[in-house]
Amino acid sequence: KNQVEQSPQSLIILEGKNCTLQCNYTVSPFSNLRWYKQDTGRGPVSLTIMTFSENTKSNGRYTATLDADTKQSSLHITASQLSDSASYICVVPLGGSQGNLIFGKGTKLSVKP
Amino acid sequence: EAQVTQNPRYLITVTGKKLTVTCSQNMNHEYMSWYRQDPGLGLRQIYYSMNVEVTDKGDVPEGYKVSRKEKRNFPLILESPSPNQTSLYFCASSSGTGVQPQHFGDGTRLSIL
Repeated sequence: KNQVEQSPQSLIILEGKNCTLQCNYTVSPFSNLRWYKQDTGRGPVSLTIMTFSENTKSNGRYTATLDADTKQSSLHITASQLSDSASYICVVPLGGSQGNLIFGKGTKLSVKP
Repeated sequence: EAQVTQNPRYLITVTGKKLTVTCSQNMNHEYMSWYRQDPGLGLRQIYYSMNVEVTDKGDVPEGYKVSRKEKRNFPLILESPSPNQTSLYFCASSSGTGVQPQHFGDGTRLSIL
């Protein structure tokens, strides 16, 4: 079954600390994996897209890694800020195209002062 | 400003009363999609459209209709709404070429009584 699973479900960290969010997928064939940030009450915003040939990709304090062999991705947040408090969603297109997308349930991150 | 606009943002209605949620994008994107988001279930795709007059079912299409008569608009139609369609709905669009991020609207919160 094509699935995208994220862990942990929720996470609380102190401002300034680093954290890593995990995404495991069983979608096949695979072409790319996306990470989105969703603030409460808003639509998701794209952080990064990784194709099967990319291992690491950074967007400011966000760094995503991809291991296509083990079908795992992680999102590392460095020096967290209060504004990082949000849900982070991992998404993988089904069938390699961008038409039908499989979403993980997200990790809810709370950054405390 | 590049954006995806959904209307209405909030709607409370009653079972069986037909409603339409509009979605419009000003980025000349080929791809558009509708999602619903429910607590504990994450985002689930309802319908998507790869281009004008081309629509496909996502994971949860039952009870919904869509049309794509022109590139910028992708309305979501609930012919006979039921309480289990109470949810937060998002419309998104992206360029159809290559691997591109989706741009999401700010959401429509529907309550069906």
